[in-house]
Amino acid sequence: NAGVTQTPKFQVLKTGQSMTLQCAQDMNHEYMSWYRQDPGMGLRLIHYSVGAGITDQGEVPNGYNVSRSTTEDFPLRLLSAAPSQTSVYFCASRKRGTNYGYTFGSGTRLTVV
Amino acid sequence: GESVGLHLPTLSVQEGDNSIINCAYSNSASDYFIWYKQESGKGPQFIIDIRSNMDKRQGQRVTVLLNKTVKHLSLQIAATQPGDSAVYFCAENALNTGGFKTIFGAGTRLFVKA
Repeated sequence: NAGVTQTPKFQVLKTGQSMTLQCAQDMNHEYMSWYRQDPGMGLRLIHYSVGAGITDQGEVPNGYNVSRSTTEDFPLRLLSAAPSQTSVYFCASRKRGTNYGYTFGSGTRLTVV
Repeated sequence: GESVGLHLPTLSVQEGDNSIINCAYSNSASDYFIWYKQESGKGPQFIIDIRSNMDKRQGQRVTVLLNKTVKHLSLQIAATQPGDSAVYFCAENALNTGGFKTIFGAGTRLFVKA
């Protein structure tokens, strides 16, 4: 049982490049989310999904796309990277139910130059 | 590991002492609260949660207190150990939103002196 797996752990992009951050979970969790973490700002929700084929925007969705074709995978796409997207990105998942605590991946540190 | 917050409030305690980490939440409609622990280079880890119909909940060495009147949450760690050194986040939720609009606080760094 690996939990939530994120790849890559580190990435440097040039402004305007695109890339996909991968997230996979093996806990059969229905709900998955992407957060970004910036110094002094806690975690902010980018996009979330309540199940395969269903996604919705969080509080900072601009510049990011997501899809959920399977229960296990929830990739985050940066279409045209900008320096403002330099951050640490966390994927999280949880089971449908009354406990709203998430299981987080170990993060991807992204630098856009 | 990466630095999760260059200007976080910091609490420094002696090993074996009790720690109290405070959090003020913003939304009076929030009715579910969670404390997370984040160690360097790792993602946040769920510690304990509490619903608004409770004012206290205890776990193993941790206690969460909720004061809805002043919108204040605290995490108490008994007999603090070096392994407790981390950044601690409180998070608030409104259950009628499905729990997806989780709002995280900026965090407090706990440093345990041996």
